[in-house]
Amino acid sequence: QKEVEQDPGPLSVPEGAIVSLNCTYSNSAFQYFMWYRQYSRKGPELLMYTYSSGNKEDGRFTAQVDKSSKYISLFIRDSQPSDSATYLCAINTGNQFYFGTGTSLTVIP
Amino acid sequence: EAQVTQNPRYLITVTGKKLTVTCSQNMNHEYMSWYRQDPGLGLRQIYYSMNVEVTDKGDVPEGYKVSRKEKRNFPLILESPSPNQTSLYFCASKARGARLTQYFGPGTRLLVL
Repeated sequence: QKEVEQDPGPLSVPEGAIVSLNCTYSNSAFQYFMWYRQYSRKGPELLMYTYSSGNKEDGRFTAQVDKSSKYISLFIRDSQPSDSATYLCAINTGNQFYFGTGTSLTVIP
Repeated sequence: EAQVTQNPRYLITVTGKKLTVTCSQNMNHEYMSWYRQDPGLGLRQIYYSMNVEVTDKGDVPEGYKVSRKEKRNFPLILESPSPNQTSLYFCASKARGARLTQYFGPGTRLLVL
């Protein structure tokens, strides 16, 4: 079983929509969760991270962890065409990182 | 400018011909890591290094070697490349005190014929 699973999409939404991106993880002991954004032909860049459970908000982005169901979510409010990218969830355990396969998002003007 | 650089950016080679992909960072980071990214499989960690002369296997180390002789450099070595190592490779680094914040390089696209 993979450490983290992610729906690959692709996802296409109109500008201004609320976007929900989701991942599930396998081990309830995981405590460090991240979301990376990757533009086409670029390396991933860290968008947000959360520790343990609960929500974390940064501007239009909200990261949420539900430890009871082992579910990680990223919400994007008022989505913009510049948000079009691939979003990868990730987990850190010790010195290793495990990534989801990524969800491709297109925001249509 | 703080950055992670990789060379070459694109490489076509043939089975069995040894190659090295270089990675360098100018942020004085202790931790460096190599990943490969494949469609449907996502980003997978190959090797990582906590500091000079300290390296460890990630999720998919078979067929790869690394070395960390200097803090800023972390080359990835494919001694006998095979077609299943055709992939997009990323190097990343982070400071020891920053548990989660990795900085990624621009990627190296490798094709092994």
